[in-house]
Amino acid sequence: GAGVSQSPSNKVTEKGKDVELRCDPISGHTALYWYRQSLGQGLEFLIYFQGNSAPDKSGLPSDRFSAERTGGSVSTLTIQRTQQEDSAVYLCASSLAPRAGRGNGYTFGSGTRLTVV
Amino acid sequence: DAKTTQPPSMDCAEGRAANLPCNHSTISGNEYVYWYRQIHSQGPQYIIHGLKNNETNEMASLIITEDRKSSTLILPHATLRDTAVYYCIVRVGAAGNKLTFGGGTRVLVKP
Repeated sequence: GAGVSQSPSNKVTEKGKDVELRCDPISGHTALYWYRQSLGQGLEFLIYFQGNSAPDKSGLPSDRFSAERTGGSVSTLTIQRTQQEDSAVYLCASSLAPRAGRGNGYTFGSGTRLTVV
Repeated sequence: DAKTTQPPSMDCAEGRAANLPCNHSTISGNEYVYWYRQIHSQGPQYIIHGLKNNETNEMASLIITEDRKSSTLILPHATLRDTAVYYCIVRVGAAGNKLTFGGGTRVLVKP
């Protein structure tokens, strides 16, 4: 597609339930990133995938959070046993190459707004 | 990645140039300066980036000081649609890692 696509755009879930958020990066982009943004806050890095390399999971806040990227394309972020503090906008971004200075940087999706009630 | 310092907010008159400063005094030789903006309820949008030379594209100009310790993003003719949070980020060129977003500058373009 022309841009990074995320689904669903909005998700309301009950505390304790598991949720899956999906990201379709731009075709051919080898790097994929997940961020989250709580209300009124800046962007918080979660996880980074680059090709077949082991992902950088250094930003995942707890073991309830996990992500995978199948076939080097679509990525799914899973949050188990959701808590109210997980409520945020979850943003996905992809880039053509991981090295700064090449291409036009990251392209972000519009995000998934997750509300845990 | 080097830290950046930006003013938390600034106002700009519609049609005038908006000059957004960023300090990155600890920047190292292989770090690029990137600018993104985030309009309300949208994902961040890439604006421009540079290493040491000034850069210009259809959206903005980037002026980097000779010592590379600071930079200025210039929106030549601000419009109401330019109201957004603007993030200045420095990023290592050789490492394929994440962008680290700071607090940014909240720019309000007024009619």
